[in-house]
Amino acid sequence: GAVVSQHPSRVICKSGTSVKIECRSLDFQATTMFWYRQFPKQSLMLMATSNEGSKATYEQGVEKDKFLINHASLTLSTLTVTSAHPEDSSFYICSVPLSGSSGANVLTFGAGSRLTVL
Amino acid sequence: GENVEQHPSTLSVQEGDSAVIKCTYSDSASNYFPWYKQELGKRPQLIIDIRSNVGEKKDQRIAVTLNKTAKHFSLHITETQPEDSAVYFCAAKLSGGFKTIFGAGTRLFVKA
Repeated sequence: GAVVSQHPSRVICKSGTSVKIECRSLDFQATTMFWYRQFPKQSLMLMATSNEGSKATYEQGVEKDKFLINHASLTLSTLTVTSAHPEDSSFYICSVPLSGSSGANVLTFGAGSRLTVL
Repeated sequence: GENVEQHPSTLSVQEGDSAVIKCTYSDSASNYFPWYKQELGKRPQLIIDIRSNVGEKKDQRIAVTLNKTAKHFSLHITETQPEDSAVYFCAAKLSGGFKTIFGAGTRLFVKA
């Protein structure tokens, strides 16, 4: 089964409201998680690195006050889209590095959350 | 920072033919190159990966090659089947961390 759980899978909200998305690592601890954003038929754009017990590291062009990330425990990272607007509508997907067969830390993805802002 | 270019954006092949997807990366410090397959509405899944100390890796019908000097890496799928139809992403990870940058993706159509 999936080792990374993401919730909710779909959310529709009104413009101006905030939405929280959760990413959980199941049966293992994750000091680092990543949040990506994917527009329709486009690539996975790295938004930020979520660090357990410290501030997230945001990629250039990503507003940290708009996309609040909290990684309060070794199994949970949350992404809150604040004061959402229609242009924030997208597919948000988290990932966790796990030890793979090649010895590298393989990114394992959650199922994603489709946000629609009306 | 790292930049990953991927070509082609769309690829259509006949069942049984081979498919090749090519990527380049910009940061010579990248040392790990995974390939992901994403079916419609689903999460990306790792299908094969290669580390910078290896030139080629094969797993049944899929293989990946890496040219460190040219900063090129490619995915080869042989004997394609309709179920291979999906979006494929290449990616590059810098050494010393987990940060991974993805290519733009290739939409593969395998016609029966």
